[in-house]
Amino acid sequence: KQEVTQIPAALSVPEGENLVLNCSFTDSAIYNLQWFRQDPGKGLTSLLLIQSSQREQTSGRLNASLDKSSGRSTLYIAASQPGDSATYLCAVKAAGNKLTFGGGTRVLVKP
Amino acid sequence: EPEVTQTPSHQVTQMGQEVILRCVPISNHLYFYWYRQILGQKVEFLVSFYNNEISEKSEIFDDQFSVERPDGSNFTLKIRSTKLEDSAMYFCASSSQGLGSGYTFGSGTRLTVV
Repeated sequence: KQEVTQIPAALSVPEGENLVLNCSFTDSAIYNLQWFRQDPGKGLTSLLLIQSSQREQTSGRLNASLDKSSGRSTLYIAASQPGDSATYLCAVKAAGNKLTFGGGTRVLVKP
Repeated sequence: EPEVTQTPSHQVTQMGQEVILRCVPISNHLYFYWYRQILGQKVEFLVSFYNNEISEKSEIFDDQFSVERPDGSNFTLKIRSTKLEDSAMYFCASSSQGLGSGYTFGSGTRLTVV
């Protein structure tokens, strides 16, 4: 059974610092991995989608890497801003076309 | 950018009542899903739907739950007799096709059972 873990559970940084969020999964037989942002009480906004054949994806200040063999992905957010404060979730798609989510990393960027 | 739309945003219901949560997936998407998130817990899979039938369901999705695509645009989740533990945020999602496609989620319906 696929298990997804995100470390740390919470992170607080001063504005301008780079953020590094980690995601690990137990079964490397995945089709893709998706990073989401969730604001309190709100829905899930897709940030990046990495296919199993890819090593990384970039969008603006966001960069996500994937090491399928070791079961890890890292989301980097450069030059953090207070507006980046949110919970970041990773989710893997494996057999059965369903997503398995991690517990999220709650990020606070202090002005 | 295309969106998945969910209504209502918040619903309060009494235990034992039936509720229907509604979703309008992205129009050219073929796969539809329901997920839920109990407060403070992980987002968890409930059911996937393709070609007018359930393609997979979790152990959570018991006989109290059902899904339907009543017309070409709506996708609904029905809970027949709500329990206190059904209180959660329910998310609808859709994807275009194939195992490599990403998901687009709606903004969720917060269900409170009292």
